[in-house]
Amino acid sequence: KQEVTQIPAALSVPEGENLVLNCSFTDSAIYNLQWFRQDPGKGLTSLLLIQSSQREQTSGRLNASLDKSSGRSTLYIAASQPGDSATYLCAVSTGGSGGGADGLTFGKGTHLIIQP
Amino acid sequence: NAGVTQTPKFQVLKTGQSMTLQCAQDMNHEYMSWYRQDPGMGLRLIHYSVGAGITDQGEVPNGYNVSRSTTEDFPLRLLSAAPSQTSVYFCASRWNRGNTIYFGEGSWLTVV
Repeated sequence: KQEVTQIPAALSVPEGENLVLNCSFTDSAIYNLQWFRQDPGKGLTSLLLIQSSQREQTSGRLNASLDKSSGRSTLYIAASQPGDSATYLCAVSTGGSGGGADGLTFGKGTHLIIQP
Repeated sequence: NAGVTQTPKFQVLKTGQSMTLQCAQDMNHEYMSWYRQDPGMGLRLIHYSVGAGITDQGEVPNGYNVSRSTTEDFPLRLLSAAPSQTSVYFCASRWNRGNTIYFGEGSWLTVV
């Protein structure tokens, strides 16, 4: 059974710092990996999607890397801002055939606070 | 473009009552799914569908039913509500397994 772990569970840093959030998964046979942002009382917003054949994806100040063989992904946030405060979740999609379970296996998230 | 729309946003039920959480998407996505989010447990898959007329169970299906009569709609039915079903429920959709998944805003359910 796929398991996804996110470290750290919580992080508080001053504004302007560059930071790295970590995600690890136990089964390297993934289809893709996504990073999400969740604000309090809201749904999940997809930030970056990395296909299993890709090594990284970038969007603005965000860069996500994927090392499928070691079961790891990192989300790098450059020049952090108070508006980046949220919970960040990673999720892996495990491919299957026919009626195999579709859906994502989520980590429990990293709660990020950026201090002004 | 409305994306994924869930209703109701908040609901209080008594133990034993039944209700339906509605989910609709306007992106013509084939894949739709329901998750529940609980403190300390993360998001867990309840049921999913890979197209109209096709549904299957996820990790925590007991106590819930789904149907997919159209591409747009994927309602989640609680047959006889229990306090253990107090949670936040999210509906999601995507074109296929390789694409970005879109989530609704969530439905907060309390069973007393």
